[in-house]
Formats: sequence, structure tokens, C-alpha cells
Amino acid sequence: DQQVKQNSPSLSVQEGRISILNCDYTNSMFDYFLWYKKYPAEGPTFLISISSIKDKNEDGRFTVFLNKSAKHLSLHIVPSQPGDSAVYFCAASEGNTDKLIFGTGTRLQVFP
Amino acid sequence: DTGVSQDPRHKITKRGQNVTFRCDPISEHNRLYWYRQTLGQGPEFLTYFQNEAQLEKSRLLSDRFSAERPKGSFSTLEIQRTEQGDSAMYLCASSLPTGLPTGELFFGEGSRLTVL
Repeated sequence: DQQVKQNSPSLSVQEGRISILNCDYTNSMFDYFLWYKKYPAEGPTFLISISSIKDKNEDGRFTVFLNKSAKHLSLHIVPSQPGDSAVYFCAASEGNTDKLIFGTGTRLQVFP
Repeated sequence: DTGVSQDPRHKITKRGQNVTFRCDPISEHNRLYWYRQTLGQGPEFLTYFQNEAQLEKSRLLSDRFSAERPKGSFSTLEIQRTEQGDSAMYLCASSLPTGLPTGELFFGEGSRLTVL
């Protein structure tokens, strides 16, 4: 039972353009959503999060949008840079637990 | 280096052997998590400690798996009688008490287990 889904295993974007990574979830009890980035041979690193009471959170080039009615969130990276090339994981948590449920990841490649 | 440290980085073992992984969290973090990641999947929650207390265990953590954090600092994850299906990356993460639900887990680089 995959509660957090990332249906696109890979995405290729030209440098300077926008990257849009998508994530869907099934559990309506999730109240916090997060994106993590992972480079090869490293652990995941926290990128940005959003509470379910918001529909947008922005941090520099990264913006996360949440559509609760559709149970969908997306991460926008603009402008994309070659250093953004990594695997991006969407994750979710319930307020009364201390664990994250991760999606399967989307590999982003930003080419010059 | 004040990040989360895991040892060993890579362990190759034969089926049926026992293996132990160690995690040293960031010193001021009192919460410690173990996750497992297999190829093509995201990290899956295994267990979580607050100080020395193990507060939650996943159904993924069979009886062959045991985790400890005896003094509330470093943690060990032991797998007994390893099976080929145990082959995975074992990730440790730590956080401050306010780390979740905002999600700021700090992950180590992981310990990759290969069971032959």
C-alpha cells in the first residue's frame, strides 16, 4: 500500500528552465509534507516542507504547492541548475507520529 | 564533522550471519531513526528512539532485527541470521525534539548491506 506516490521515475530539464516534480498521496490524515534531495553515496537532505494548512511555501528557487482536495503536491525549481541533478523524494507525516512515509523518488537531470 | 555518522559504510556477509550497524547522531539531537532503502524505493521507516527509549517499531522490523540506544547517544541495529532479502541501504537519521513534523531529519550516508 503505497501511501505516497511519485509516478515519474525520472525527469530531464534544460538548465534555466523550470523543473516540476509531482507527488500524490492517499492518506488524508497526513498533515505535513516534505521534499528531500539525495545525491549518490549520500543520505537524503531536507529541502523544503509545507503544512497542510497552507497551499504554498517558497524558499529561494524552490516552491512547494499543496492541493489538498486532489491529494497532490508539487515541487517547482526555477531556474533549474546542473547542481540540482539528484533524486528527489516526497515524504509525508501525520502530526501524532514521528515517522516519515517516503515516495519512490524522481531522478532529476538538469542538462546545460 | 558534526553530521550523522554510520559505520560500516558497506558490509558484505553470507546468508545466516549476524551483522551490526552503528549510528552516531548529531550530539544535541535526542531523536534517532532507522530507515531502510532498497533499490528503486524510498526510505522505509524501521524504528525510532527518543533518548534511550524505543518508541515505535515498524512491522518491517522482524524478530531478527533489534535496535538499541543504551545511553541515549549512539545506536546499533543488529540483524541476526541474515537473508538475501535483507540486502539494502540502512539509513540512520537524527533530529531535535522539534524536528518532526516539520521533517528536518538529518540523515547519515547509510550502511549498505549485501547478503550473498
